[in-house]
Amino acid sequence: KQEVTQIPAALSVPEGENLVLNCSFTDSAIYNLQWFRQDPGKGLTSLLLIQSSQREQTSGRLNASLDKSSGRSTLYIAASQPGDSATYLCASYTGGGNKLTFGTGTQLKVEL
Amino acid sequence: DVKVTQSSRYLVKRTGEKVFLECVQDMDHENMFWYRQDPGLGLRLIYFSYDVKMKEKGDIPEGYSVSREKKERFSLILESASTNQTSMYLCASRRQGPGNEQFFGPGTRLTVL
Repeated sequence: KQEVTQIPAALSVPEGENLVLNCSFTDSAIYNLQWFRQDPGKGLTSLLLIQSSQREQTSGRLNASLDKSSGRSTLYIAASQPGDSATYLCASYTGGGNKLTFGTGTQLKVEL
Repeated sequence: DVKVTQSSRYLVKRTGEKVFLECVQDMDHENMFWYRQDPGLGLRLIYFSYDVKMKEKGDIPEGYSVSREKKERFSLILESASTNQTSMYLCASRRQGPGNEQFFGPGTRLTVL
């Protein structure tokens, strides 16, 4: 059974800092890995999807990487802003590829 | 843009009531999902549907049922609401096929008194 872990559970950084969020998974036979953002009391917003054949994916200030052999993905946020404050979740598809297994998230706070 | 909408943002019901949560997506996606999210427990899959009239149990189906009569609409039903079903409910959809991107609705915060 796939297990997805995100460390740290919470992170606080000053505005402008570059930061990395970590995601680890136990089953390397994944179809893809998806990163989401969740604001308090809201639904999940898809940030990036990395296919199993890809090494990384970029969108604006966000860059996600995937290393299947080591069971790791990272989300890099450049030049962080207070508006980036949210909980970030990673999730992977395994097995038949139809169900996501979610990590428990990293709560990010970017301070002025 | 993909849009997944949920019928209510906030809902308050009484114990024993029958509750319907509605979800609609506008991208002709085959797969739809219902999750609940609780502090410390993360997102847990309740039910999912591969296509119209098809459904499968997720990890925590007890106390819930679902209906998918039309492709764009997926309903979650609490037959007799209980206080332990107080939670945030999230609907999602995706195109059929392994590894396709999943999109979520805004969530419904359900409180059962």
